[in-house]
Amino acid sequence: NAGVTQTPKFRVLKTGQSMTLLCAQDMNHEYMYWYRQDPGMGLRLIHYSVGEGTTAKGEVPDGYNVSRLKKQNFLLGLESAAPSQTSVYFCASSYMASGSEQFFGPGTRLTVL
Amino acid sequence: QQPVQSPQAVILREGEDAVINCSSSKALYSVHWYRQKHGEAPVFLMILLKGGEQKGHDKISASFNEKKQQSSLYLTASQLSYSGTYFCGTVSPTGANNLFFGTGTRLTVIP
Repeated sequence: NAGVTQTPKFRVLKTGQSMTLLCAQDMNHEYMYWYRQDPGMGLRLIHYSVGEGTTAKGEVPDGYNVSRLKKQNFLLGLESAAPSQTSVYFCASSYMASGSEQFFGPGTRLTVL
Repeated sequence: QQPVQSPQAVILREGEDAVINCSSSKALYSVHWYRQKHGEAPVFLMILLKGGEQKGHDKISASFNEKKQQSSLYLTASQLSYSGTYFCGTVSPTGANNLFFGTGTRLTVIP
């Protein structure tokens, strides 16, 4: 059981470049989430999904897109990276919504120059 | 909607106790507590679903006061392994899929 995995672990982008972060979970969870974590800001929800084929906006969705084509995968895309998107990105999954624990992946450290 | 945590940081000696508070300006449906070690992912500690609920996990326990819209995490007889940043996450009755995290409390336990 790998739990929640994220690729890549580190990435450096130039302003304007695009990239996709991949999150995979093997726990058959319906709910998946993307967060960003900045110093002093805690974790902020970017987008989430309540099941295969569904996505919804979280607290800070601007500049990001997501897709959930398969139940086990949740992709986060940056269309045109900006320095303000430099952050650590965490993916998480849960069996239910707010009443169950979220399992977090190891994170992706992204730097945009 | 981000909850407010206090204190922002605390240093303890092994064996001492600590309390971390989490308060919200909005009504709460549930409160989550997570611990994150430096460079690692957050790890779940517990969820409190009902006002007045109290839970315990080893020597870490928490309470949830729905009326006051706040929760407290209690760490007793702290161990070195308790060091890390503690986050509370809150869910409002109308935003069941959105977990809003506080800015964290950095706990350092020294020998």
